Amino acid sequence: DAKTTQPPSMDCAEGRAANLPCNHSTISGNEYVYWYRQIHSQGPQYIIHGLKNNETNEMASLIITEDRKSSTLILPHATLRDTAVYYCIAFTGNQFYFGTGTSLTVIP
Amino acid sequence: DTEVTQTPKHLVMGMTNKKSLKCEQHMGHRAMYWYKQKAKKPPELMFVYSYEKLSINESVPSRFSPECPNSSLLNLHLHALQPEDSALYLCASSQDGRGLYGELFFGEGSRLTVL
Repeated sequence: DAKTTQPPSMDCAEGRAANLPCNHSTISGNEYVYWYRQIHSQGPQYIIHGLKNNETNEMASLIITEDRKSSTLILPHATLRDTAVYYCIAFTGNQFYFGTGTSLTVIP
Repeated sequence: DTEVTQTPKHLVMGMTNKKSLKCEQHMGHRAMYWYKQKAKKPPELMFVYSYEKLSINESVPSRFSPECPNSSLLNLHLHALQPEDSALYLCASSQDGRGLYGELFFGEGSRLTVL
């Protein structure tokens, strides 16, 4: 499985877009990029996933570079409730391995 | 029903006790997972059941014994645990155990303290 690397922490002003980067330079062609988040002491929550194309849902947008070596999760209008640890996962098969994640703090 | 339910939410046990953690889902999912999470660390995969068969055991010590009685239930039997086993134990499920549908649904976890 490809390893992902993320910055350990980020801040974002409330109401602004939060852009969370992820590097996955060893990703293979059939590995999806998944994003989860974990609010303190709760179970992780699925956000979005993609393979090659950019994806958008009601929670976020996922931008994957053309060479698939990196991606960015975008929360368009961050709220205080978006404060959480965000995990980027390169997934294939049935094994989800979490990396160290990015702790996002949304500041009022 | 899109929930994964874990019981108990909190468990305190001694090193000689035998206890079990339970996990239930009614989404018709065929893959179920146990993760262990220590404070300020990411979840670590322990076991994966696919179509009620153990498909992955991440070299977990035998004092942790998983069981999948049917497609909706997953247990984790605990025996002779050590204080360092204290952690949040997370259960998850996904639609298909062959990796075709990767979205995992997580429960809220069972917080275990071993004295």
